[in-house]
Amino acid sequence: GENVEQHPSTLSVQEGDSAVIKCTYSDSASNYFPWYKQELGKGPQLIIDIRSNVGEKKDQRIAVTLNKTAKHFSLHITETQPEDSAVYFCAASRGGGYQKVTFGTGTKLQVIP
Amino acid sequence: DTAVSQTPKYLVTQMGNDKSIKCEQNLGHDTMYWYKQDSKKFLKIMFSYNNKELIINETVPNRFSPKSPDKAHLNLHINSLELGDSAVYFCASQGGVYNEQFFGPGTRLTVL
Repeated sequence: GENVEQHPSTLSVQEGDSAVIKCTYSDSASNYFPWYKQELGKGPQLIIDIRSNVGEKKDQRIAVTLNKTAKHFSLHITETQPEDSAVYFCAASRGGGYQKVTFGTGTKLQVIP
Repeated sequence: DTAVSQTPKYLVTQMGNDKSIKCEQNLGHDTMYWYKQDSKKFLKIMFSYNNKELIINETVPNRFSPKSPDKAHLNLHINSLELGDSAVYFCASQGGVYNEQFFGPGTRLTVL
């Protein structure tokens, strides 16, 4: 089955700096890679995703990159703000039908004002 | 209008009791999940149902029994609760070409 590793487990940055979270996956058939943000006391929320036919996707201050050859993908947050503080999860799936989504172990991001 | 809702939000109970958590989605998806999140924030899949049929059971003890009366609802019943069952339980609905998952707000279960 799929195995997703995520690093770092915790990350502290100063407000305005960039944050990068990295994930690797094992199943070469995975073709869908979502990222979730979980704020305290809430459920994970999908913030951005990337399909295997693209190498990069941006949405305002958030960007994701995918290297299928190396089987790794990353989340980049620029100009971090205190409201970015949360736990972030990467995930991988084969997509289509009802394929299971495998989650990484989470990164707790703290943005220091 | 909440896409995935769960009740109750908090559940405090004694060891040995039986309890249920309810989940409903209004996204029209066919697939729903239950996840368990422990104190370290690991998201562990428990069950998945597709159109009322069980398709994934990740070696969960048989004290846990999911029930799907229709594809918009997936409830979780837990018998003989143990201390180790204390966690946050999330329901999720999955659909679309690339299986986007949408999570409910979670149910924090505390077993005393």
